[in-house]
Amino acid sequence: EAGAAQSPRYKIIEKRQSVAFWCNPISGHATLYWYQQILGQGPKLLIQFQNNGVVDDSQLPKDRFSAERLKGVDSTLKIQPAKLEDSAVYLCASSLLASGSDTQYFGPGTRLTVL
Amino acid sequence: GQNIDQPTEMTATEGAIVQINCTYQTSGFNGLFWYQQHAGEAPTFLSYNVLDGLEEKGRFSSFLSRSKGYSYLLLKELQMKDSASYLCAVPNQAGTALIFGKGTTLSVSS
Repeated sequence: EAGAAQSPRYKIIEKRQSVAFWCNPISGHATLYWYQQILGQGPKLLIQFQNNGVVDDSQLPKDRFSAERLKGVDSTLKIQPAKLEDSAVYLCASSLLASGSDTQYFGPGTRLTVL
Repeated sequence: GQNIDQPTEMTATEGAIVQINCTYQTSGFNGLFWYQQHAGEAPTFLSYNVLDGLEEKGRFSSFLSRSKGYSYLLLKELQMKDSASYLCAVPNQAGTALIFGKGTTLSVSS
């Protein structure tokens, strides 16, 4: 099954600039996840939505990162202002249920480079 | 806390068999996932084990021992296209999302 759709695929910005990423999950998937994957590491959860409500944002650096999922479908993740250490791939995933035991389907990710 | 360990890199030749190990520590167990991730691409689901034993799916098999906190992914008849990172993951303590290991980069040569 194809995964979530994401855009843009690549983004290069300078530190202190802002950036936004977009995700469209698989139709009918109530749960949406944003992960950060730094080179050589596994994905790390940033935020999880169930419909348009936040389930877990404990690892989201809220001083600079924000995310929303209006209407319970598409989601945007924003970074403002960006730091060098934010350079990573930002992956969006979705699942039918809000359970860690449910298979997650990932999008191709947005590769962010902060200069 | 929760922790997942897997080797960083492995190499193998075409046609061979390779076993990628994963050990985990978790409070409460809700299954273990294996994902495959080619360079620059999305992680894709390979397997999910919740009971002990071996589950076979074509050239790929996954094994789980809950008492030992151990799993492995077995890849048979290796092909060049199997060169990828293999991610081991378990649900978090709340049981709502996944915690991933750092991934094992497998390089298959001819």
